[in-house]
Amino acid sequence: EVQLVESGGGLVQPGGSLRLSCAASGFIFSRYWMSWVRQAPGKGLEWVANIKEDGSEKYYVDSVTGRFTISRDNAKNSLCLQVNSLRAEDTALYYCARVSRRTAAAAQPDYYMDVWGKGTTVTVSS
Amino acid sequence: DIQMTQSPTSLSASVGDRVTITCRASQSISSYLNWYQQKPGKAPKLLIFAASSLQSGVPSRFSGSGSGTDFTITISSLQPEDFATYFCQQSYIMPYSFGQGTKLEIK
Repeated sequence: EVQLVESGGGLVQPGGSLRLSCAASGFIFSRYWMSWVRQAPGKGLEWVANIKEDGSEKYYVDSVTGRFTISRDNAKNSLCLQVNSLRAEDTALYYCARVSRRTAAAAQPDYYMDVWGKGTTVTVSS
Repeated sequence: DIQMTQSPTSLSASVGDRVTITCRASQSISSYLNWYQQKPGKAPKLLIFAASSLQSGVPSRFSGSGSGTDFTITISSLQPEDFATYFCQQSYIMPYSFGQGTKLEIK
């Protein structure tokens, strides 16, 4: 069964840090881009970061650039998000998601998040 | 950054109705548009990718169309399990962005 399981969330004070993890199983992890997406309580979805199959490319939403770091260990089928300098507005449910790709006739492949974990909750509060 | 705007933000409909939700991008994204369904307390589920391709296992009553800046997802005959929140998302360029969501409620 294809599965993603997040962990590492918790209650942290403003300015604090956490390391979120995502354990992948049931597919060849090293062949996929991976994403982190978050959802603040009662709000919509916000893409946070992406990492290429081999970890050579990483992208972030502006609001977390310089504070969050995405990484992966393909030998351990594991994705991580190091979150530093946390702010109240970072409070959210953090999902990891597999990014699948369809290569079509167009120059740029179609990318879409087709497998999601259940999420891990980060609460930033004093 | 590309802004995605969905309309309406909420919608009441009945079982059996045909429903259409619209998503508009702030600039052309070709067909790099995906749709997700989210039920309360659950992770999002991919329904449609590349604007009109149905994800495996998704019922055929769901369909997507559009290109450029204007996109729609249509549910041809609403079923009880379809009442949920729907999000569009562009994958044309990073930062990827989602629409604000459309909550589909039972009338």
